[in-house]
Amino acid sequence: QSALTQPASVSGSPGQSITISCTGTSSDVGGYNYVSWYQQHPGKAPKLMIYDVSNRPSGVSNRFSGSKSGNTASLTISGLQAEDEADYYCSSYTSSSPWVFGGGTKLTVL
Amino acid sequence: EVQLVQSGAEVKKPGESLKISCKGSGYSFTSYWIGWVRQMPGKGLEWMGIIYPGDSDTRYSPSFQGQVTISADKSISTAYLQWSSLKASDTAMYYCARRGVRDGYNQYYFDYWGQGTLVTVSS
Repeated sequence: QSALTQPASVSGSPGQSITISCTGTSSDVGGYNYVSWYQQHPGKAPKLMIYDVSNRPSGVSNRFSGSKSGNTASLTISGLQAEDEADYYCSSYTSSSPWVFGGGTKLTVL
Repeated sequence: EVQLVQSGAEVKKPGESLKISCKGSGYSFTSYWIGWVRQMPGKGLEWMGIIYPGDSDTRYSPSFQGQVTISADKSISTAYLQWSSLKASDTAMYYCARRGVRDGYNQYYFDYWGQGTLVTVSS
């Protein structure tokens, strides 16, 4: 099972909005509403930010939002803050193996 | 408070065996699947496999089938990941994570993660 495709890096200035894409196939992202997003700060464990495409767990800022169109899911962070600088990973259910992750995107806050 | 606490860092030689652990607390350990995720140095996350401690039902990613063994001891709320013969390419951070449950149904995300166990394999 190939990893989902994410851009290697994105950047934005404080206060701006950025979007990270996650492209799969009809066997994973496009076929199911089971896309999740994780934030990972250096040296830390991943943290769940979005589940089932667009739902936020309790405690996650509403500056984080998720969406999906066809085989591509997206994570949008609005009102960028310095603390948002981290690696972000998407994940999806896949018919061949329950979980597949994206390659990760490094977000830099300028 | 839900917590997953993993065992400490390990340094091993190629060919040696290893078993690392993940102890759950603050919830019913037997009612939630526990997954294992590999992160090689400077790389992304890879799902390895998952176990249901209630009955030890275990599933593996095709990429890791036969390479590792996942087990659990529900009497002490602990899941394990083990290798019988380590390779240098097993050098990585390994995370355990709890599979989400909502309205009684298993979900396709991991809601709580352990702090990670760094495994270094070098001669």
